[in-house]
Amino acid sequence: SAVISQKPSRDICQRGTSLTIQCQVDSQVTMMFWYRQQPGQSLTLIATANQGSEATYESGFVIDKFPISRPNLTFSTLTVSNMSPEDSSIYLCSVESAGLSDEQFFGPGTRLTVL
Amino acid sequence: QKEVEQNSGPLSVPEGAIASLNCTYSDRGSQSFFWYRQYSGKSPELIMSIYSNGDKEDGRFTAQLNKASQYVSLLIRDSQPSDSATYLCAVNTLFNSNSGYALNFGKGTSLLVTP
Repeated sequence: SAVISQKPSRDICQRGTSLTIQCQVDSQVTMMFWYRQQPGQSLTLIATANQGSEATYESGFVIDKFPISRPNLTFSTLTVSNMSPEDSSIYLCSVESAGLSDEQFFGPGTRLTVL
Repeated sequence: QKEVEQNSGPLSVPEGAIASLNCTYSDRGSQSFFWYRQYSGKSPELIMSIYSNGDKEDGRFTAQLNKASQYVSLLIRDSQPSDSATYLCAVNTLFNSNSGYALNFGKGTSLLVTP
């Protein structure tokens, strides 16, 4: 499986600021995904990011709040904008396995706390 | 709303016993099913994928799928204290026509294996 890294691993931010989370993969992948895991909850899909096209967002998530970039096949960023304490979560990127399998593998996550 | 349902637990089993984790899903069109293990403070780790009805075995893990009943399960034989974690059931679901398929997660079952 691909090796996925995320930066930062954790951050504490002030209300009203923005944070950009980076996701780097050691191989080229077509499909990248961003998920959120709120405290004590399961994972919720934020958006799907394919290289060369605009990210597609799921219900409850909008581009103005969570802009995503996907400049190439190994990298993506998610920005959490104008943060509030409700944005305190773990943010995870995942990639779909190369080849025919649709297995997904996750990065280590970014733990965000908004004060 | 496409649902993936799991008992939250905690499920407590003694060391050496079989742990049985269950999951039901609502989207009849789903074709891919996954079990992830998540230790506290860590990201989800893929442990099993299953695509066809029946059983699939990998070491101490057996995944079972019944598409007619919309049911998928995970059996862990000879449970070890190191198996204590949250187990997430994930179903590859068509979220919308723009984003394509992505993982829809259940809330997870907490497993505790006692020595």
